[in-house]
Amino acid sequence: ETGVTQSPTHLIKTRGQQVTLRCSSQSGHNTVSWYQQALGQGPQFIFQYYREEENGRGNFPPRFSGLQFPNYSSELNVNALELDDSALYLCASSPIGDRSTDTQYFGPGTRLTVL
Amino acid sequence: GDSVTQMEGPVTLSEEAFLTINCTYTATGYPSLFWYVQYPGEGLQLLLKATKADDKGSNKGFEATYRKETTSFHLEKGSVQVSDSAVYFCALSVQTGANNLFFGTGTRLTVIP
Repeated sequence: ETGVTQSPTHLIKTRGQQVTLRCSSQSGHNTVSWYQQALGQGPQFIFQYYREEENGRGNFPPRFSGLQFPNYSSELNVNALELDDSALYLCASSPIGDRSTDTQYFGPGTRLTVL
Repeated sequence: GDSVTQMEGPVTLSEEAFLTINCTYTATGYPSLFWYVQYPGEGLQLLLKATKADDKGSNKGFEATYRKETTSFHLEKGSVQVSDSAVYFCALSVQTGANNLFFGTGTRLTVIP
C-alpha cells in the first residue's frame, strides 16, 4: 500500500511569487487536509477537501487555495508569497468511509522557503 | 475554542528512564485525542489515539489515557530507548465539520545512551 506522497521535497521562492504544492493521497483515501508547520511549532490546519469540494478551512487568507482531483490527489496554491509563508507544508489523507473516525495519515511534507 | 496545551521541552533522558509528556486540552463536544511523532527529517506518524473517555491508547510501549475529568492525555513510556528521540505532538479533533486536527506545539525528546 502506497502512503501519502508530496512533491516537491524542497522549494525556494521569492516574495510575491506563486507556488503550487502537490499531494497524492494514500490508496483508498478520499479526504485530504493541508497543514502548515512553522519552525518549532505544531502544524496548523489550512483546509480540507472531501470529494473534490472544500470541506473546512482554518484561519488562513484567501491567497491560500486548493484543489482536489477525481483520483483524490490534491494541490495547495499560495499566491503573493510572504516571508512568513516559509514553513513545512504537510498533506494528510483519511480513508474512504472513515471520515468520522479522525485518523489522518501524513506525508513527508514540502519545505517552502520564501526569500 | 478547541486547543491543546503541551508540556514544553526539550526533554533529555537517559536510556531506560521513565517518560511522561503532559498534554491537556480544551474542546467543545467530545474530541478524539492523538499523539503523533515526528522523527528527524520525516513527516508525522500516528503513535496512538483514544476516541472516548477512559480509553487507553498504546503502541510501541507508549501509553496515554483519555481523562475527561482532568481534560488530559499524558504520554508515558516505562523505558525509553535512543530510537525514541523525536518530537512528540499531542492533538485533538472534534467530529464536526472537517474534523481537522488541533496540535500542541510539540515536545522534543532526546534520549542519551
